[in-house]
Amino acid sequence: EAAVTQSPRNKVAVTGGKVTLSCNQTNNHNNMYWYRQDTGHGLRLIHYSYGAGSTEKGDIPDGYKASRPSQENFSLILELATPSQTSVYFCASGDAWTVNERLFFGHGTKLSVL
Amino acid sequence: GDQVEQSPSALSLHEGTGSALRCNFTTTMRAVQWFRKNSRGSLINLFYLASGTKENGRLKSAFDSKERYSTLHIRDAQLEDSGTYFCAARSNYNVLYFGSGTKLTVEP
Repeated sequence: EAAVTQSPRNKVAVTGGKVTLSCNQTNNHNNMYWYRQDTGHGLRLIHYSYGAGSTEKGDIPDGYKASRPSQENFSLILELATPSQTSVYFCASGDAWTVNERLFFGHGTKLSVL
Repeated sequence: GDQVEQSPSALSLHEGTGSALRCNFTTTMRAVQWFRKNSRGSLINLFYLASGTKENGRLKSAFDSKERYSTLHIRDAQLEDSGTYFCAARSNYNVLYFGSGTKLTVEP
């Protein structure tokens, strides 16, 4: 079974600070995704990646950067964190670039920006 | 271990037919959501249930917390229904667990 590991599991940050959320997958999937989950909004796509070195904007990229330095790792970066970015963030990897792609999710990172 | 077992992992339907997807939970969940993934990776909300059933067009979902399962029924399947469907369940400790997805292919 695909393994997607997120770190940290919980993070408290101050407004204006830099936050990096990390995601590691061990199944050699080309595609990786970052979502945030908020009450009333479901899961919203922030950034995604086709493979090492690529990052693409999702539906709500503003205020976030992403980095895919290797096949295994995909980071989400908040250069200047704001309270509105308080949320639960999920990373996922995908097994194929088709409409029928399966996604394998991490356990989530709970971020609080004070 | 996995908290959510989603089945089937793949499903093929002819246009006009229907079937059901199912998520079984290993522990009591207080709510479930069903999503559909589009070609880019966005997850489209289909249903959110804390109990009972909801229906929207050709889709109907049910959630039974006591019996630890949820279903998504599709009737009169159309070609554009093809895609990957996910359930996600929220535990009593407010942790979200995802199913591994069902790849649905609707054929003419």
